[in-house]
Amino acid sequence: KQEVTQIPAALSVPEGENLVLNCSFTDSAIYNLQWFRQDPGKGLTSLLLIQSSQREQTSGRLNASLDKSSGRSTLYIAASQPGDSATYLCAVHYTGANSKLTFGKGITLSVRP
Amino acid sequence: NAGVTQTPKFRVLKTGQSMTLLCAQDMNHEYMYWYRQDPGMGLRLIHYSVGEGTTAKGEVPDGYNVSRLKKQNFLLGLESAAPSQTSVYFCASSQPQFVSGGLTDTQYFGPGTRLTVL
Repeated sequence: KQEVTQIPAALSVPEGENLVLNCSFTDSAIYNLQWFRQDPGKGLTSLLLIQSSQREQTSGRLNASLDKSSGRSTLYIAASQPGDSATYLCAVHYTGANSKLTFGKGITLSVRP
Repeated sequence: NAGVTQTPKFRVLKTGQSMTLLCAQDMNHEYMYWYRQDPGMGLRLIHYSVGEGTTAKGEVPDGYNVSRLKKQNFLLGLESAAPSQTSVYFCASSQPQFVSGGLTDTQYFGPGTRLTVL
């Protein structure tokens, strides 16, 4: 079964720390991998999309990497701020007929002032 | 440019009642999706549409119906609500494109509808 796993489920760090959020997936045959942010009571906001042929994408303080051979992606957040507190979801678009995004359950991040 | 909007934002139903959730997008996207999000279960795809007049089943379609009569709208119906359908429902849209390097299909989400079935 094609799955996406995010561990740990929750993370608490002090402000200013650089941190890495992990995502693992079970099949290297993918179109792309996406990272989303979800604030409490809100919808999901797309942060970064990494195509299958790419190794990383960057947006501001965020950097996402992709290693298909090992089935892993990381989201790196530099100099974390309390405003970064949210749930971060990883989603993989596996290849195959009629395939759609498969979501991980997310990592809830709390950045302490 | 409102993006993806959903109505209503909250709703409480009694078991057996019916309702329709409306999703609208103003980005001219071909693809639209309905998800439900439950604690410990993550996001699960209910139904989706790859264009006006087309719909398809997702991972958890039972108890739901959908219609895509206009490109910008995607309706999710519950004919006879059950307590197991208590959830937060999200609509999303995307415009998949094959570009150099592969497929890009960023999904844009609405704010969600919180549904409680008593």
